[in-house]
Amino acid sequence: QKEVEQNSGPLSVPEGAIASLNCTYSDRGSQSFFWYRQYSGKSPELIMSIYSNGDKEDGRFTAQLNKASQYVSLLIRDSQPSDSATYLCAAYSGTYKYIFGTGTRLKVLA
Amino acid sequence: GAVVSQHPSWVICKSGTSVKIECRSLDFQATTMFWYRQFPKQSLMLMATSNEGSKATYEQGVEKDKFLINHASLTLSTLTVTSAHPEDSSFYICSARPLAGGREQYFGPGTRLTVT
Repeated sequence: QKEVEQNSGPLSVPEGAIASLNCTYSDRGSQSFFWYRQYSGKSPELIMSIYSNGDKEDGRFTAQLNKASQYVSLLIRDSQPSDSATYLCAAYSGTYKYIFGTGTRLKVLA
Repeated sequence: GAVVSQHPSWVICKSGTSVKIECRSLDFQATTMFWYRQFPKQSLMLMATSNEGSKATYEQGVEKDKFLINHASLTLSTLTVTSAHPEDSSFYICSARPLAGGREQYFGPGTRLTVT
Protein backbone atom coordinates (compact mmCIF):
# COMPACT_ATOMS: atom_id res chain seq x y z
CA GLN A 1 0.00 0.00 0.00
CA LYS A 2 1.53 3.26 -1.14
CA GLU A 3 1.28 5.88 1.57
CA VAL A 4 2.04 9.48 2.33
CA GLU A 5 2.34 10.20 6.04
CA GLN A 6 1.88 13.51 7.76
CA ASN A 7 1.55 14.49 11.37
CA SER A 8 -2.03 15.65 11.84
CA GLY A 9 -1.06 18.42 14.24
CA PRO A 10 -2.10 20.97 15.12
CA LEU A 11 1.25 22.60 14.69
CA SER A 12 1.16 25.93 16.47
CA VAL A 13 3.67 28.64 15.69
CA PRO A 14 3.77 32.30 16.67
CA GLU A 15 3.26 34.95 14.04
CA GLY A 16 6.49 35.78 12.25
CA ALA A 17 8.09 32.40 12.99
CA ILE A 18 9.05 29.67 10.53
CA ALA A 19 6.54 26.85 10.22
CA SER A 20 8.02 23.50 9.21
CA LEU A 21 5.70 20.88 7.79
CA ASN A 22 6.92 17.38 7.05
CA CYS A 23 5.82 14.45 4.97
CA THR A 24 7.21 10.98 4.27
CA TYR A 25 6.24 8.67 1.46
CA SER A 26 6.56 4.95 0.99
CA ASP A 27 6.79 4.56 -2.79
CA ARG A 28 10.38 5.01 -3.96
CA GLY A 29 9.04 5.31 -7.48
CA SER A 30 7.25 8.57 -6.68
CA GLN A 31 8.37 11.17 -9.14
CA SER A 32 6.83 14.47 -8.13
CA PHE A 33 5.55 16.02 -4.95
CA PHE A 34 3.06 18.72 -4.19
CA TRP A 35 1.95 20.84 -1.29
CA TYR A 36 -1.62 22.07 -1.09
CA ARG A 37 -3.23 24.43 1.38
CA GLN A 38 -6.82 23.82 2.38
CA TYR A 39 -8.79 26.28 4.43
CA SER A 40 -11.73 24.92 6.42
CA GLY A 41 -14.71 24.38 4.16
CA LYS A 42 -12.74 25.13 1.00
CA SER A 43 -11.02 23.03 -1.64
CA PRO A 44 -7.24 22.50 -1.78
CA GLU A 45 -5.07 25.12 -3.43
CA LEU A 46 -1.69 24.27 -4.93
CA ILE A 47 1.19 26.04 -3.22
CA MET A 48 4.30 24.30 -4.44
CA SER A 49 5.44 21.43 -6.58
CA ILE A 50 8.90 19.88 -6.43
CA TYR A 51 10.33 17.34 -8.79
CA SER A 52 14.02 16.98 -7.93
CA ASN A 53 16.15 16.72 -4.82
CA GLY A 54 16.98 19.90 -3.02
CA ASP A 55 15.17 23.10 -2.22
CA LYS A 56 12.69 25.09 -4.23
CA GLU A 57 11.71 28.55 -3.09
CA ASP A 58 8.66 30.63 -3.96
CA GLY A 59 8.13 33.75 -1.91
CA ARG A 60 7.74 32.79 1.74
CA PHE A 61 7.50 29.11 0.88
CA THR A 62 10.35 26.63 0.47
CA ALA A 63 9.79 23.02 -0.46
CA GLN A 64 12.54 20.52 0.27
CA LEU A 65 12.85 17.05 -1.22
CA ASN A 66 15.14 14.24 -0.18
CA LYS A 67 14.42 11.16 -2.27
CA ALA A 68 17.00 9.02 -0.48
CA SER A 69 15.17 9.56 2.80
CA GLN A 70 11.75 9.66 1.10
CA TYR A 71 11.04 12.94 2.81
CA VAL A 72 9.39 16.16 1.70
CA SER A 73 9.01 19.30 3.72
CA LEU A 74 7.46 22.73 3.41
CA LEU A 75 8.86 25.74 5.23
CA ILE A 76 6.76 28.84 5.63
CA ARG A 77 8.77 31.89 6.62
CA ASP A 78 7.30 34.86 8.45
CA SER A 79 4.15 32.89 9.20
CA GLN A 80 0.94 34.91 9.25
CA PRO A 81 -2.42 34.12 10.86
CA SER A 82 -3.79 33.82 7.32
CA ASP A 83 -1.49 30.81 6.84
CA SER A 84 -3.57 28.90 9.37
CA ALA A 85 -4.97 26.00 7.38
CA THR A 86 -4.49 22.31 6.71
CA TYR A 87 -1.52 21.52 4.48
CA LEU A 88 -1.73 18.44 2.30
CA CYS A 89 1.29 16.67 0.91
CA ALA A 90 0.82 14.62 -2.25
CA ALA A 91 3.07 12.29 -4.22
CA TYR A 92 2.69 11.37 -7.88
CA SER A 93 3.67 7.79 -8.55
CA GLY A 94 2.90 7.56 -12.23
CA THR A 95 -0.04 6.49 -14.38
CA TYR A 96 -2.16 9.37 -13.05
CA LYS A 97 -1.85 8.06 -9.49
CA TYR A 98 -1.59 10.67 -6.79
CA ILE A 99 -1.37 9.73 -3.13
CA PHE A 100 -2.44 12.38 -0.64
CA GLY A 101 -1.51 12.58 3.00
CA THR A 102 -4.19 13.29 5.55
CA GLY A 103 -2.82 16.77 6.16
CA THR A 104 -1.22 18.78 8.92
CA ARG A 105 -3.26 21.47 10.60
CA LEU A 106 -1.23 24.64 11.10
CA LYS A 107 -2.23 27.35 13.56
CA VAL A 108 -0.38 30.63 13.45
CA LEU A 109 -0.90 32.52 16.68
CA ALA A 110 -1.17 36.30 16.52
CA GLY B 1 -3.95 30.57 -14.97
CA ALA B 2 -5.03 26.97 -14.20
CA VAL B 3 -8.54 27.79 -13.08
CA VAL B 4 -11.10 25.07 -12.49
CA SER B 5 -14.75 25.84 -11.90
CA GLN B 6 -17.53 23.72 -10.48
CA HIS B 7 -21.24 24.16 -10.73
CA PRO B 8 -23.28 24.29 -8.63
CA SER B 9 -21.32 25.38 -5.57
CA TRP B 10 -24.01 23.94 -3.34
CA VAL B 11 -27.14 21.92 -3.90
CA ILE B 12 -29.93 20.51 -1.77
CA CYS B 13 -31.94 17.65 -3.16
CA LYS B 14 -34.51 15.17 -1.97
CA SER B 15 -33.67 11.56 -1.31
CA GLY B 16 -34.09 9.43 -4.44
CA THR B 17 -33.39 12.20 -6.94
CA SER B 18 -30.29 12.65 -9.08
CA VAL B 19 -27.86 15.54 -9.06
CA LYS B 20 -25.35 16.52 -11.73
CA ILE B 21 -22.17 18.41 -10.89
CA GLU B 22 -20.10 20.05 -13.63
CA CYS B 23 -16.36 20.57 -13.55
CA ARG B 24 -14.72 22.81 -16.11
CA SER B 25 -11.12 23.77 -16.75
CA LEU B 26 -11.43 27.40 -17.79
CA ASP B 27 -8.04 28.29 -19.21
CA PHE B 28 -6.44 24.98 -20.06
CA GLN B 29 -7.23 21.64 -21.57
CA ALA B 30 -7.25 18.64 -19.30
CA THR B 31 -6.96 15.06 -20.43
CA THR B 32 -7.41 13.85 -16.90
CA MET B 33 -9.85 14.95 -14.26
CA PHE B 34 -10.33 13.57 -10.80
CA TRP B 35 -13.34 13.45 -8.52
CA TYR B 36 -12.94 13.51 -4.76
CA ARG B 37 -15.29 13.42 -1.83
CA GLN B 38 -14.54 14.88 1.55
CA PHE B 39 -16.55 14.47 4.73
CA PRO B 40 -16.21 17.07 7.51
CA LYS B 41 -12.83 17.00 9.23
CA GLN B 42 -11.72 14.06 7.10
CA SER B 43 -9.17 13.76 4.36
CA LEU B 44 -9.78 13.77 0.63
CA MET B 45 -11.05 10.53 -0.77
CA LEU B 46 -10.48 9.88 -4.46
CA MET B 47 -13.61 8.54 -6.10
CA ALA B 48 -12.57 8.21 -9.71
CA THR B 49 -10.16 9.28 -12.40
CA SER B 50 -11.55 10.20 -15.78
CA ASN B 51 -9.76 10.61 -19.07
CA GLU B 52 -11.36 12.47 -21.94
CA GLY B 53 -13.21 10.16 -24.25
CA SER B 54 -12.87 7.03 -22.17
CA LYS B 55 -14.61 5.41 -19.24
CA ALA B 56 -13.73 6.57 -15.77
CA THR B 57 -11.64 4.43 -13.45
CA TYR B 58 -13.36 4.11 -10.11
CA GLU B 59 -11.63 3.51 -6.80
CA GLN B 60 -12.43 0.41 -4.83
CA GLY B 61 -15.70 0.72 -2.98
CA VAL B 62 -17.12 3.48 -5.19
CA GLU B 63 -20.26 2.37 -7.01
CA LYS B 64 -19.91 3.30 -10.65
CA ASP B 65 -23.64 2.94 -11.28
CA LYS B 66 -24.38 5.40 -8.51
CA PHE B 67 -21.71 7.95 -9.33
CA LEU B 68 -21.80 8.41 -13.09
CA ILE B 69 -18.84 10.24 -14.55
CA ASN B 70 -18.68 11.63 -18.06
CA HIS B 71 -15.62 13.36 -19.48
CA ALA B 72 -16.94 14.45 -22.83
CA SER B 73 -14.38 17.10 -23.73
CA LEU B 74 -10.95 18.37 -22.78
CA THR B 75 -12.53 21.01 -20.55
CA LEU B 76 -15.60 19.38 -19.06
CA SER B 77 -16.30 16.46 -16.77
CA THR B 78 -19.57 15.76 -14.99
CA LEU B 79 -20.44 13.71 -11.95
CA THR B 80 -24.02 12.56 -11.53
CA VAL B 81 -25.08 11.23 -8.18
CA THR B 82 -28.03 8.96 -8.94
CA SER B 83 -30.76 8.07 -6.47
CA ALA B 84 -29.13 10.21 -3.83
CA HIS B 85 -29.47 9.31 -0.17
CA PRO B 86 -28.64 11.33 2.95
CA GLU B 87 -25.38 9.42 3.35
CA ASP B 88 -24.26 10.86 -0.01
CA SER B 89 -24.27 14.32 1.55
CA SER B 90 -20.69 15.51 1.31
CA PHE B 91 -18.29 17.98 -0.26
CA TYR B 92 -17.49 16.89 -3.82
CA ILE B 93 -14.35 18.33 -5.36
CA CYS B 94 -13.01 17.90 -8.86
CA SER B 95 -9.51 18.53 -10.04
CA ALA B 96 -7.87 18.66 -13.44
CA ARG B 97 -4.41 17.96 -14.73
CA PRO B 98 -3.38 20.11 -17.69
CA LEU B 99 -2.68 18.46 -21.00
CA ALA B 100 0.49 20.51 -21.33
CA GLY B 101 3.02 21.21 -18.62
CA GLY B 102 3.84 19.40 -15.41
CA ARG B 103 2.03 16.89 -13.27
CA GLU B 104 0.19 19.32 -11.04
CA GLN B 105 -3.52 18.94 -10.54
CA TYR B 106 -5.68 21.96 -9.90
CA PHE B 107 -8.80 21.79 -7.79
CA GLY B 108 -12.19 23.29 -8.36
CA PRO B 109 -13.92 25.12 -5.52
CA GLY B 110 -16.07 22.14 -4.63
CA THR B 111 -19.78 21.39 -4.49
CA ARG B 112 -21.54 20.90 -1.21
CA LEU B 113 -24.34 18.36 -1.60
CA THR B 114 -27.04 17.96 1.01
CA VAL B 115 -29.60 15.20 0.54
CA THR B 116 -32.74 15.55 2.63
